[in-house]
Amino acid sequence: DAKTTQPTSMDCAEGRAANLPCNHSTISGNEYVYWYRQIHSQGPQYIIHGLKNNETNEMASLIITEDRKSSTLILPHATLRDTAVYYCIVKSYGQNFVFGPGTRLSVLP
Amino acid sequence: DAGVIQSPRHEVTEMGQEVTLRCKPISGHNSLFWYRQTMMRGLELLIYFNNNVPIDDSGMPEDRFSAKMPNASFSTLKIQPSEPRDSAVYFCASRGGSGETQYFGPGTRLLVL
Repeated sequence: DAKTTQPTSMDCAEGRAANLPCNHSTISGNEYVYWYRQIHSQGPQYIIHGLKNNETNEMASLIITEDRKSSTLILPHATLRDTAVYYCIVKSYGQNFVFGPGTRLSVLP
Repeated sequence: DAGVIQSPRHEVTEMGQEVTLRCKPISGHNSLFWYRQTMMRGLELLIYFNNNVPIDDSGMPEDRFSAKMPNASFSTLKIQPSEPRDSAVYFCASRGGSGETQYFGPGTRLLVL
């Protein structure tokens, strides 16, 4: 069974915030939430990860609900170069990454 | 840092030929992963190494696939003999220290005719 559920696709207007949701209702206490993205014809790129607290870096923000059953990746000002497939992955330390189908984000001009 | 380097970037071969994919991990990283990506199956882990030792090869599809890591800065994934169903993009990733984050290379796009 998949550990995460993501929408198949989303659109976002250029310059606006892109909010990508991820459901992980069966997450365990020692499992982290990771986000990667894959731009067409490139390798997956690490974005951000977190355990409980919200996290922010130069690429994005990760908001994790208090019960940890869902999270949202926020790209604050989406550009055309952010068009990609975004993967939400739940894993504990030592486990392998398992990539699902992800969300195909299209940033529209 | 140059990141993970893979070669060749594209490979076209005929069924039955041997194919060798190469990967140079990020300097100082001690774990290396080989993945395969297809439209049908998505991104799948084939094998990974810690400190040059294969740890988990349960994702290797069959005996035609083999992987080696003779030193900390080089790994190969070999397919012999290749078949059309091996056509895919093969990614190498590396990881360093105690962190879990993996950094991926640009991939090798393999087409077996």
